[in-house]
Amino acid sequence: SAVISQKPSRDICQRGTSLTIQCQVDSQVTMMFWYRQQPGQSLTLIATANQGSEATYESGFVIDKFPISRPNLTFSTLTVSNMSPEDSSIYLCSALQGTEAFFGQGTRLTVV
Amino acid sequence: AQSVTQLGSHVSVSEGALVLLRCNYSSSVPPYLFWYVQYPNQGLQLLLKYTSAATLVKGINGFEAEFKKSETSFHLTKPSAHMSDAAEYFCAVSAANSGNTPLVFGKGTRLSVIA
Repeated sequence: SAVISQKPSRDICQRGTSLTIQCQVDSQVTMMFWYRQQPGQSLTLIATANQGSEATYESGFVIDKFPISRPNLTFSTLTVSNMSPEDSSIYLCSALQGTEAFFGQGTRLTVV
Repeated sequence: AQSVTQLGSHVSVSEGALVLLRCNYSSSVPPYLFWYVQYPNQGLQLLLKYTSAATLVKGINGFEAEFKKSETSFHLTKPSAHMSDAAEYFCAVSAANSGNTPLVFGKGTRLSVIA
């Protein structure tokens, strides 16, 4: 099984600023994903982080707002740019290993 | 395209009673199905998964689920609820044999256990 370390675990940020979330996996994985979980809601896929190429974004999410890096097979970052209170949410990193998806502990972001 | 419907956003049971959390899926290809649990302020933990082997799947903490293709269902059950089972439960689907596809989640069911 894969162990995922995600940081920061929580942050309170001023509107208009940016926050970069880091995700480290303890083994090489082909696929990594970023999800958003708004308060009391389910998980919504933001994008697939592709190693060596641009991330693939889902409808409603754009690279300028959520730039993603995937420099190697164990690491990815998600940046939430030009934040507004509507971006307050939990952001989760996920890695696919075989048929099983593993998740980080999440980053609880509050924008004030 | 795939989707998951979880019936009931909140289920409340007495300690020792049967737990039944409902999940129906829609998939144009054979699915893989998953149940995850999320405790407050924590990430998601896999309870069990169906990957086209046995249709009755046993998971951790005494939970099990049965894949019923005719009903497009994958309901989660536990014979006797414990207080520690109180959490949010998510059903998820992915496409079998398509390789490397992300999971699609249902809206979740919050389970409360009453002493």
